[in-house]
Amino acid sequence: RKEVEQDPGPFNVPEGATVAFNCTYSNSASQSFFWYRQDCRKEPKLLMSVYSSGNEDGRFTAQLNRASQYISLLIRDSKLSDSATYLCVVNMGYGGATNKLIFGTGTLLAVQP
Amino acid sequence: DTEVTQTPKHLVMGMTNKKSLKCEQHMGHRAMYWYKQKAKKPPELMFVYSYEKLSINESVPSRFSPECPNSSLLNLHLHALQPEDSALYLCASSQEAAGTPGRPTFGEGSWLTVV
Repeated sequence: RKEVEQDPGPFNVPEGATVAFNCTYSNSASQSFFWYRQDCRKEPKLLMSVYSSGNEDGRFTAQLNRASQYISLLIRDSKLSDSATYLCVVNMGYGGATNKLIFGTGTLLAVQP
Repeated sequence: DTEVTQTPKHLVMGMTNKKSLKCEQHMGHRAMYWYKQKAKKPPELMFVYSYEKLSINESVPSRFSPECPNSSLLNLHLHALQPEDSALYLCASSQEAAGTPGRPTFGEGSWLTVV
């Protein structure tokens, strides 16, 4: 089992749709979670951190479910510019001694006009 | 502005060459990371430096040799690489080295081609 897993997609959705991505992780002690987006041939860019109580940033909502060890990202009112690969990142470091930031497998989103 | 700067942006090297990739950040971050990314795959962690000391080596072949000369710089020395090592090499940094790392920031990457 991979340490951090996502549905690879692709997710093909029309403009204006709501789309949700999930990410599961194997280390129940993980404390830090992030969502990144990566455009083709570019570096990953932080979309948002994921907090225990859930958090929202405009059209984007992130949730954490510790019991089931997954995080989610909801995108409302999809725009063409949202087309990208969405990657979850989980700190898999053990014992707090160091950080081990591991990427999920990534989910490709294609928003269609 | 890119807060993590990587050079060179593109590098072509032969299998017998020795070259280095460089990464620099001036945000006072205490953790720095090297990742390797192949096409259509997620970034794979290679090395982690915490407070300028190597804390994680993800079983990376010895032909990749990391170095952290000071808190702002991270190098990746390359020697006797194979064509399958061709990839995008990403450097990242985060504020804290342990516990809650803060938001990791990535450089634009160095595109490496081994011929």
